[in-house]
Formats: sequence, C-alpha cells, structure tokens
Amino acid sequence: DIQLTQSPFFLSASVGDRVTITCRASQGISRYLAWYQQKPGKAPKLLIYDASTLQSGVPSRFSGSGSGTEFTLTISSLQPEDFATYYCQQLNSYPSFGGGTKVEIK
Amino acid sequence: QVQLVESGGGLVKPGGSLRLSCAASGFTFSDYYMSWIRQAPGKGLEWVSYISSSDNTVYYVDSVKGRFTISRDNAKNSLYLQMNSLRAEDTAVYYCARAQIAAGLDYWGQGTLVTVSS
Repeated sequence: DIQLTQSPFFLSASVGDRVTITCRASQGISRYLAWYQQKPGKAPKLLIYDASTLQSGVPSRFSGSGSGTEFTLTISSLQPEDFATYYCQQLNSYPSFGGGTKVEIK
Repeated sequence: QVQLVESGGGLVKPGGSLRLSCAASGFTFSDYYMSWIRQAPGKGLEWVSYISSSDNTVYYVDSVKGRFTISRDNAKNSLYLQMNSLRAEDTAVYYCARAQIAAGLDYWGQGTLVTVSS
C-alpha cells in the first residue's frame, strides 16, 4: 500500500502569508495526486487534481506541483476563508489520504 | 446541480449491521465511479471503498474487507454500503463521493454519522 506523509501537521499563519504544504508518497505515483480542503463540520472540497490542475471554481491563489514522490500545495496569499485542514490523496493505486495539515490563524 | 445525500447512519451495537444509502442527482450516475470515505471523530479521512461505473468492480480498504459490501443501483441513482460485524473503530462520519478516474473526488455528500457502541 502507498503511504502519504504530509508536513507540517500544523501550520500557524497570517492573512496574506504564502503557505506551502508538502505531501510525500512512499513510492512513485506519477502525478496521480489530489488536494482537498476541509472546514469543520463540512465535507472536503476538491482543490487540485493531477498534481497541478485547478478544479473549476477554485481561486488561482491555490497551486500544486510535483511528481513521483514529492508534491506541494501552495497558497500564494492566505485569505481568511482558507483557514482549514488540507489533505492530499493519491490515486495511483488503491486510493489513500495523507494525515492532514491544519492551517490556523496566527 | 450535482447532489449526493447520504442516509442510514445511527447508533448500533458492536457486531451489528447498518446499510448506508447515497441518493445521487444532477448527473448521469451510471457514468461515474463512486466511493465511500469515512472520518472518525477528530481524525483524518480514510477511503473505505469504491465501485466502478457499470461492471461493478469493487475495491475495499483492508480493515473492512469481508465485513462491508459496496453496491449500486444505476436505475435508482443510488449507492449503498452494507456494513456487517461493526466494531467500535468503525465509528465515523461516512461520506459518499463521485469519483473522476485518476482525478479525485469532485462531489461529496454531507455525510452520515455511524456510532458503534454498546
């Protein structure tokens, strides 16, 4: 099974900050990676798929990069509505999620 | 618009059974893979199972193999998860989601809570 390790586990940041979250796969998954945002009490929302393709309707301040085993999600200028937990998911084999990164207000 | 509405959650004793349903609307249900994902209280997301669009190929996470069964009725635009031999560790919010092949889960339901406790 492919394991995904996200870092950091917790991130404290201010509005306007540039934020980067990393997701590492235990083996190569090409570009079969998606990113989700989840707010408390709500279902996750797809942000990015195919490692870097922005889902329709997602603001352009979100971007993804990477291939193989290392991937990043970047928020170029953090907005108040971006404070949430972010998950990566690999789609190369049986799907699995990373452990999540909680982004909180500094 | 695309809608997914789960139902069937509740409180069940260890060893008991529950059947979750997910009613889909706003898209051609038979064209899409569908998935169940769960989230234990205060924990992260765990993919549980998925089913192909038409040939009913299914996959399960190891922890539910032999206990859970995913199925679908394309005529009724519905997805199901039959959960047997439930354990305390199955306690979670269960989400159904529409799957784009190799492109993620683009629509999710609101979730239904399953609590396994004596």
